[in-house]
Order: sequence, then C-alpha cells, then structure tokens
Amino acid sequence: KQEVTQIPAALSVPEGENLVLNCSFTDSAIYNLQWFRQDPGKGLTSLLLIQSSQREQTSGRLNASLDKSSGRSTLYIAASQPGDSATYLCAVPDYGGATNKLIFGTGTLLAVQP
Amino acid sequence: NAGVTQTPKFRILKIGQSMTLQCTQDMNHNYMYWYRQDPGMGLKLIYYSVGAGITDKGEVPNGYNVSRSTTEDFPLRLELAAPSQTSVYFCASSYSAGIDTQYFGPGTRLTVL
Repeated sequence: KQEVTQIPAALSVPEGENLVLNCSFTDSAIYNLQWFRQDPGKGLTSLLLIQSSQREQTSGRLNASLDKSSGRSTLYIAASQPGDSATYLCAVPDYGGATNKLIFGTGTLLAVQP
Repeated sequence: NAGVTQTPKFRILKIGQSMTLQCTQDMNHNYMYWYRQDPGMGLKLIYYSVGAGITDKGEVPNGYNVSRSTTEDFPLRLELAAPSQTSVYFCASSYSAGIDTQYFGPGTRLTVL
C-alpha cells in the first residue's frame, strides 16, 4: 500500500531564506506527483505536477524535483516571503493513477517570519 | 468559472442526525472526489466518481453515501452522524486521470456533538 510521508511537520524560517520541503513515498510506480498549498481554513491549490518521466518542474520561485527510484520529491522555495506561509502537501495517485485517487502526505506547516 | 463550490461552509450536527454536503463544479470535469481532513492526518479519500452514474469507495467510506446523477453535482450524504465524522470535508474534481491535477473546493467544516 502506498504511503506518503512529509518531513518536517513544521518549519519556521526568516524572510528571504531558501528552503526545501521533503516528500517520501513507498511505491515508486507512480504516474505523477503533485505539490499543493493549503491556506488556513481554505481548500488546496495545486502548485506543481511532475509527471513520472520528468525530473523537475518550476513555477516562479518554486522548483519541485522527483526521484522515483529513491521514492523522494523535494519542493524548493527560493527567497521565501511571509506570503508563502501555509501548509504544503504532496500527493501521488494510488494504484498507478488509473482513477487519479490521490494519497496525501500529512503536510509541512511553513511559517516565514518577516 | 466558479470552479468547485461546496455548501455549507460550517455545520454542527447532533449524534444521529443526517445531512447532505453539496458539491458542484462548472468545469465539465468527469472525475469528482470527496476527501476528509482530520488534524495532523492529511486528506483521506471517502468516495469518488469517474462520471455521471458511476461511483466507487475510497479509503474511508463507512458512514457515508454518494450519488452522481449529473456531471456537475456530487453530494455526500451522512445518514447517522457520529463524533468520529467531525472533520473538514473537501470536494475535488479533475478532467481525467493520471496526468490531470485536481481542483479543490473551499471545504465544509463539520462538527458532530
């Protein structure tokens, strides 16, 4: 059964710092991996989706990498800002992705201090 | 596009009461999903649907029912509310499987007392 783990559970950094969030998964047979952002009391917003054939995806100050063989993904945030404060979740499709049922990690709560 | 909308935003139920959480999407997506999010536990899939008239169980379906009579709507029914169903419920949709991202609604915060 696929399991997704995110470390650390919480992270506090000063504004301007570069940071890395980690995501691990137990079954490397995935179609893709997604990173989501969740603001308090809100739904999830998709940040980046990496296909299994890709090694990384970039969007602005965000860069996500994927290493299927080691079951790991990282989300790199450059020059962090207080507006980046949120919970970040990673997710992979279950059973290879035929139905797009997502298995989520428990998230990393990020606080960027001004 | 409004995207994925959910009603109500908040609800308090007494044990044994029933209610329906509404979910509507206006993106003509085939796939729709219901998740629950408990504190510190991440999101878990309750039910999903790959099209009108087709639904299937997810990881935690007990105590819930769904129907999908139209492409746009995917209501979640709680028949006999229990304290264990206190959670935040999210509805999501996607156009297809495998390569398509999911779009989430704002959530319904449910408390069962």
